[in-house]
Amino acid sequence: DAKTTQPNSMESNEEEPVHLPCNHSTISGTDYIHWYRQLPSQGPEYVIHGLTSNVNNRMASLAIAEDRKSSTLILHRATLRDAAVYYCIPLSNQAGTALIFGKGTTLSVSS
Amino acid sequence: GAVVSQHPSRVICKSGTSVKIECRSLDFQATTMFWYRQFPKQSLMLMATSNEGSKATYEQGVEKDKFLINHASLTLSTLTVTSAHPEDSSFYICSARTGQIDSYNEQFFGPGTRLTVL
Repeated sequence: DAKTTQPNSMESNEEEPVHLPCNHSTISGTDYIHWYRQLPSQGPEYVIHGLTSNVNNRMASLAIAEDRKSSTLILHRATLRDAAVYYCIPLSNQAGTALIFGKGTTLSVSS
Repeated sequence: GAVVSQHPSRVICKSGTSVKIECRSLDFQATTMFWYRQFPKQSLMLMATSNEGSKATYEQGVEKDKFLINHASLTLSTLTVTSAHPEDSSFYICSARTGQIDSYNEQFFGPGTRLTVL
């Protein structure tokens, strides 16, 4: 499994953009970069994923470095409901393989 | 998106008893399901990978005789914590990935089961 490095915690104010970085220098060429988040006392939920190109969806954007050794999750306008632990996980797309969670980044959002 | 349910959402039991947790994929067939455990202020730890109709594969350090996993159908997996002790108190989360071909296999998570062993 590819190792990841994420800041332990980050803080943001409501309505401001948030950039959550992740280093995954040992990622394999076929691994997708997955981002999940976990709100307190809930199961993780999918945020976004990408392989090589930058990706956008209604929740966030994912910027992937050209060498794929790092990526950044971008929340364009943070809300209080975005306060969660965010996990960056490189993993293949095979159905039988499980996401392996690191420590993630705890995002705090202030009003 | 696809939904994974768990039952019960929380359970309190006495030390020495066994507890069964059910995990269901409600609108897709899950050939493989996963069980995780999460202690307070820690990350999720993968316990085992459960394949329909066959024995589960346990991660190193997870006792297979203590954590019995059954995956009898494509939509149901169960985790039984046998002879539970206070150190087994934790948040147990099940998960499944869709098995699509040539498409992204998102991993969906259940809401978790809070187990407290007195």
